[in-house]
Amino acid sequence: KNEVEQSPQNLTAQEGEFITINCSYSVGISALHWLQQHPGGGIVSLFMLSSGKKKHGRLIATINIQEKHSSLHITASHPRDSAVYICAVLTPENYGGSQGNLIFGKGTKLSVKP
Amino acid sequence: NAGVTQTPKFQVLKTGQSMTLQCAQDMNHNSMYWYRQDPGMGLRLIYYSASEGTTDKGEVPNGYNVSRLNKREFSLRLESAAPSQTSVYFCASMDRGSRQPQHFGDGTRLSIL
Repeated sequence: KNEVEQSPQNLTAQEGEFITINCSYSVGISALHWLQQHPGGGIVSLFMLSSGKKKHGRLIATINIQEKHSSLHITASHPRDSAVYICAVLTPENYGGSQGNLIFGKGTKLSVKP
Repeated sequence: NAGVTQTPKFQVLKTGQSMTLQCAQDMNHNSMYWYRQDPGMGLRLIYYSASEGTTDKGEVPNGYNVSRLNKREFSLRLESAAPSQTSVYFCASMDRGSRQPQHFGDGTRLSIL
């Protein structure tokens, strides 16, 4: 069973399009991360949120704790946004076998065409 | 700002060889982590160290050992490498209990022939 599910797995968009990547989770969490990984590159944290909404430049992340769902939006997408976007949930310190650790989704590969 | 530094970046081993992946962080974080990333799968936790002096198994610890040498350094050892351990390995660190995210190294691409 996958405790963190992302959709879609792959996404191709034209430059300028509005993009949404979804993340659903089935475990209790203390926070949710959105991460970005460029081809052959390292992993960078974009957002860490536990409620509501956060915005950084053209990126917006929202979370609905009751529905166990988060979305990452990219406005006015650009080819440089092409990357794998990873959702990860941080379990609470007293949570079963994953105490206070991250559980990762499989990632969404985004390709933005010029 | 070095952040999390992993060495080496690339390595090719023969089955049965041993090697140690090194990781160091300069952010004074208390917790450090080793993950592996395989195609079609999410990052999976191999071992972690919640604080200096402690280490615990993650989701996929078999075939690996770790050492938390001091607060800065956390190494991952493959005693007898197997082809199934071909993967990209990431080290990460964070201040456990804080509201800050994990910081990741650039990864080590390891191939076992």
